[in-house]
Amino acid sequence: DTGVSQDPRHKITKRGQNVTFRCDPISEHNRLYWYRQTLGQGPEFLTYFQNEAQLEKSRLLSDRFSAERPKGSFSTLEIQRTEQGDSAMYLCASSSGLAGGETQYFGPGTRLLVL
Amino acid sequence: DQQVKQNSPSLSVQEGRISILNCDYTNSMFDYFLWYKKYPAEGPTFLISISSIKDKNEDGRFTVFLNKSAKHLSLHIVPSQPGDSAVYFCAASAYSFNKFYFGSGTKLNVKP
Repeated sequence: DTGVSQDPRHKITKRGQNVTFRCDPISEHNRLYWYRQTLGQGPEFLTYFQNEAQLEKSRLLSDRFSAERPKGSFSTLEIQRTEQGDSAMYLCASSSGLAGGETQYFGPGTRLLVL
Repeated sequence: DQQVKQNSPSLSVQEGRISILNCDYTNSMFDYFLWYKKYPAEGPTFLISISSIKDKNEDGRFTVFLNKSAKHLSLHIVPSQPGDSAVYFCAASAYSFNKFYFGSGTKLNVKP
């Protein structure tokens, strides 16, 4: 399967713990996005990488959130000191072509539950 | 401030009939629009897109219409099939943007 993969698919943690999610994009895609989706809402943009450079971050991404894409391939999203409000589906997407005019392909998501 | 809105949270249609899903946007800079379909426990799957230089794009049973003056787009599914039952999201961007804005989704139920 050559689609976008995410790991883990589910994560349950206690408030105050740190969690890290991984995304492996489609191999030839140079752009990678993280989104967050809560119940009844569409995906909300968190951050964007072009190759290894993080070019944009949403104001939704507080100081407790950090994302990396060290070699321009896979990416990690870490949440420190988790809060109950962080409970959501975290989606990763990748694309190639002109930014803003391309098709983003999504992974299956990581569902986070903070107790 | 939600720049892309899907005002119908749900829609129910009979198998074989037409499904029409609507989406409105507020940002006049948007010039690229997509529809995604999402099944439970899966990520969104790309369905169809349209650029602002067109007012219609067709792919099999799926047609997207864009009305730029009204800042409105719609997705038509003809004929609807039970396997089309899913949540549909519209998304918008611009060639100068680094992100997509999504609506809140419409849950389509196609009854056999």
